[in-house]
Amino acid sequence: SAVISQKPSRDICQRGTSLTIQCQVDSQVTMMFWYRQQPGQSLTLIATANQGSEATYESGFVIDKFPISRPNLTFSTLTVSNMSPEDSSIYLCSVPGQGGGYTFGSGTRLTVV
Amino acid sequence: EDQVTQSPEALRLQEGESSSLNCSYTVSGLRGLFWYRQDPGKGPEFLFTLYSAGEEKEKERLKATLTKKESFLHITAPKPEDSATYLCAYSGAGSYQLTFGKGTKLSVIP
Repeated sequence: SAVISQKPSRDICQRGTSLTIQCQVDSQVTMMFWYRQQPGQSLTLIATANQGSEATYESGFVIDKFPISRPNLTFSTLTVSNMSPEDSSIYLCSVPGQGGGYTFGSGTRLTVV
Repeated sequence: EDQVTQSPEALRLQEGESSSLNCSYTVSGLRGLFWYRQDPGKGPEFLFTLYSAGEEKEKERLKATLTKKESFLHITAPKPEDSATYLCAYSGAGSYQLTFGKGTKLSVIP
């Protein structure tokens, strides 16, 4: 299965600022997914990022707040913009893996103060 | 509305005490049912994918089963290192995105 390097692993940010999270995959993948895991909650899909096209956002998530880049088949970034304490969560990227499953990055734990 | 519910929310077992975790799902068409393990501070680790009712998969002390409405993760003679949060998720027909349950936090006491 693919190996994902996600960074930063954690950050503490001031409200009103932005943070960009990076995911690097060790193989080429068409689809990449970005999830949010709020404290005590399940993982929620933010958007699907395909190389060469605009990301597709799920209900409740908008591009102005969570812009995504997908410049090639091994890399993607998610930016959390104009942050508020409600954005404090773990953010994860994911790609399709072997055996029908999906591989996840190690996550970025974001705290907004 | 498509959804997935896991129970119990937390489970505490003695080492060697077998048990099962439940995942109830409602989806108009199932492409796959997934089980993951998540350790604190880490991303989910893939365990199993099940595609059709009656299917079973095993890995060490874990066995996953699937019916038309539920999936079970059976843990046989658990060890402390099995302590983690176990997540269930599904993808619907024609979709590659996953919808997750809230997970079951398993603690195995020596």
